[in-house]
Amino acid sequence: ETGVTQSPTHLIKTRGQQVTLRCSSQSGHNTVSWYQQALGQGPQFIFQYYREEENGRGNFPPRFSGLQFPNYSSELNVNALELDDSALYLCASGQGSTGELFFGEGSRLTVL
Amino acid sequence: QKEVEQNSGPLSVPEGAIASLNCTYSDRVSQSFFWYRQYSGKSPELIMSIYSNGDKEDGRFTAQLNKASQYVSLLIRDSQPSDSATYLCAVKSNQGGKLIFGQGTELSVKP
Repeated sequence: ETGVTQSPTHLIKTRGQQVTLRCSSQSGHNTVSWYQQALGQGPQFIFQYYREEENGRGNFPPRFSGLQFPNYSSELNVNALELDDSALYLCASGQGSTGELFFGEGSRLTVL
Repeated sequence: QKEVEQNSGPLSVPEGAIASLNCTYSDRVSQSFFWYRQYSGKSPELIMSIYSNGDKEDGRFTAQLNKASQYVSLLIRDSQPSDSATYLCAVKSNQGGKLIFGQGTELSVKP
């Protein structure tokens, strides 16, 4: 167990709705990253936060947004959901220096 | 060319054999490399990190890195059915701290 917790574990939304996913980082870690993993694919980087500032973003549209809070917890928000947003959303935390990231159990989003 | 490439498999080996998983990457200046194990329906679990050329051993796992050839591999000795999973190779990008993943290799260890 990594100490990274995510909620909810599963959720179903309809196209056009909005969703917020939450993550609590492992104690002592100062970076939090979000990844999207479609079925049969490797995780794709969405963005990373360090000290509450976004410091890297992958090839995702602006309707994917996030926040990191002072206690290192984080949120991923997705607006105007599309069918292709159906995936496993993974939160990962790390200390930054080693590059090692430790993943939570993920939130599986289904968009109908 | 994909940034990180792996054979998708499935790779099938008998119990007790050595499983060899391979990964190539495109960014020549990459410095940090990772192997994750992902069981079906679960999240990725970090099993090995490697930063220098050569071999790094941890129990039944050995990671091998050859930066000149831009090649990373993972060997699993004495493979067990519980090793059956998808193995993801990841490379740390030099643009920030993001990890770039391959698509994963599915390993099946047959009793």
